[in-house]
Amino acid sequence: DGGITQSPKYLFRKEGQNVTLSCEQNLNHDAMYWYRQDPGQGLRLIYYSQIVNDFQKGDIAEGYSVSREKKESFPLTVTSAQKNPTAFYLCASSIGQVYGYTFGSGTRLTVV
Amino acid sequence: QKEVEQNSGPLSVPEGAIASLNCTYSDRVSQSFFWYRQYSGKSPELIMSIYSNGDKEDGRFTAQLNKASQYVSLLIRDSQPSDSATYLCAVNARADKIIFGKGTRLHILP
Repeated sequence: DGGITQSPKYLFRKEGQNVTLSCEQNLNHDAMYWYRQDPGQGLRLIYYSQIVNDFQKGDIAEGYSVSREKKESFPLTVTSAQKNPTAFYLCASSIGQVYGYTFGSGTRLTVV
Repeated sequence: QKEVEQNSGPLSVPEGAIASLNCTYSDRVSQSFFWYRQYSGKSPELIMSIYSNGDKEDGRFTAQLNKASQYVSLLIRDSQPSDSATYLCAVNARADKIIFGKGTRLHILP
């Protein structure tokens, strides 16, 4: 079955540590997105990529980094520069904006 | 002005009644409109998309679009407790991304 796989489901980060969230899709979608969702809040766009080896900053890119070396993969690194990283992180992909996005199951990141 | 606005709720609806969820958007060039359902602790799931003025029906769900008024709505007929969730309105106005509203929490009362 085609879909988007995010791992891990839960992640704990110590202060000052970088962590990487994985996002893999087998839908053959060109575009991929990373969102952050805080309790009671909407989705905030972190980074997006419409093609391999190219990506753009979203609304809250500070403290995050991404890469897009393969069409199937779009990992997100939460760096130590992100001061409030505790949130629910969602990866999405799309074959085109007119069709909407397909979301992965999410990664819940907690700072300990 | 917020790009996509929704009432945060909660909207409480008796089981078996019609739930009506509303959304307004600011960009007149918007072309594609979506409704996502998100259960607590889960990721959003696309349940309806609509592209032209009028109504679009899919089972118990009806999406309504009025581009002149910049208004999108979702009707859920014969509401069930399993419909209790947050519903996100999303709008594609520009070429490269979709804008999401903050969502409306719907609570179906048994």
